[in-house]
Amino acid sequence: DVKVTQSSRYLVKRTGEKVFLECVQDMDHENMFWYRQDPGLGLRLIYFSYDVKMKEKGDIPEGYSVSREKKERFSLILESASTNQTSMYLCASRLGTASNQPQHFGDGTRLSIL
Amino acid sequence: GQSLEQPSEVTAVEGAIVQINCTYQTSGFYGLSWYQQHDGGAPTFLSYNALDGLEETGRFSSFLSRSDSYGYLLLQELQMKDSASYFCAVRDRGTYKYIFGTGTRLKVLA
Repeated sequence: DVKVTQSSRYLVKRTGEKVFLECVQDMDHENMFWYRQDPGLGLRLIYFSYDVKMKEKGDIPEGYSVSREKKERFSLILESASTNQTSMYLCASRLGTASNQPQHFGDGTRLSIL
Repeated sequence: GQSLEQPSEVTAVEGAIVQINCTYQTSGFYGLSWYQQHDGGAPTFLSYNALDGLEETGRFSSFLSRSDSYGYLLLQELQMKDSASYFCAVRDRGTYKYIFGTGTRLKVLA
């Protein structure tokens, strides 16, 4: 089974801090994604990466950056955390470009910015 | 812009059949997927429709009609464990970008 592991289940940070959320997958997947999930808004794509060192902006990239130095690891960075970034963050990976390939999600990081 | 709309909540009783709709406005996409998410858990893949028509996987079926910009997930013989949120999703044509629906919370009553 595919395993997508997010480094923290719960995280509390302060406004203005630089925050790192880490995601690791163990199945040599090419594509990786970061979403945030808020009530009534579903999952919104922040950034995605279709290969090592490659990244593309999603729908809501403002205030975030990403890093993918190794195939298995995709990091989300909040450059200067703000209270409106309090949310559930979900990482996902996907084997390749075939359209029927599903995404595999981690358990999520519930981030609170105080 | 691209969007997928779902009802926010659906309630049904054990043993019943329920349909969760997904209507979309998008210029082009590769197929329609469905994901299930239990409270506190990760979304998990349920089904994928590449073509118009019905796909069946056990108690779950999914339908797509591109001409009507519409799809649905059909759950039969409902069980309490089916209580969860359900999301439809499409992959934007020409990119790797995914768009998810707003999600439907299904409550199954005894």
